[in-house]
Amino acid sequence: DIQMTQSPSSLSASVGDRVTITCRASQGIINYLAWFQQKPGKAPKSLIYAASTLQSGIKSRFSGSGSGTDFTLTISSLQPEDFATYYCQQYSSYPITFGQGTRVEIK
Amino acid sequence: QVQLVESGGGVVQPGRSLRLSCAASGLMFSRYAMFWVRQAPGKGLEWVAVITGDGSIEYYADSVKGRFTISRDNSKNTLYLQMNSLRADDTGVYYCARASSSSAYYSTLDYWGQGTLVTVS
Repeated sequence: DIQMTQSPSSLSASVGDRVTITCRASQGIINYLAWFQQKPGKAPKSLIYAASTLQSGIKSRFSGSGSGTDFTLTISSLQPEDFATYYCQQYSSYPITFGQGTRVEIK
Repeated sequence: QVQLVESGGGVVQPGRSLRLSCAASGLMFSRYAMFWVRQAPGKGLEWVAVITGDGSIEYYADSVKGRFTISRDNSKNTLYLQMNSLRADDTGVYYCARASSSSAYYSTLDYWGQGTLVTVS
């Protein structure tokens, strides 16, 4: 199974900050990497697929990069509605696996 | 717009069965593979099962293999998850999600339902 490791597990940031979350795969997954945002009590929401392609309707302050084993989600200017938990997910092979999540909290 | 609505969750005793449903609207249902993903209370996301658009291929997580069965009725635009021999560690919110294509391979999860809570106790 491919293990997905996110860092950090949590972070505190202020509105307007640039935030970066990293995700590392235990083996190469080319660019079969997605990012999701989840708010408390809500379903996950797809942000990015194919490592760097924004889903329709997602704000351009979100961006993704990387290939192979190392990936990054960046929020260029954190907004109040961005405080949530973020998950990476590989869909290169089964079983599909998720990272453990990164909680973004208000400083 | 795409809408996925899960139902069928509830409280069930260990060893018993439950069937979840996911009603889809706003999409050509048969053109998309469909997933079940679950989330234990306070924990992360865990993929459970996937079925191709035509229902011909299914994959399962090892944790549910042999106990859970994913199926679909394309004439009713509905996805199912039959859960047998339920255990306490099956407790959580179960989400259905649409794949980005009819294939189970290299498909991301682009739309999610609101989830249904299963409690095994």
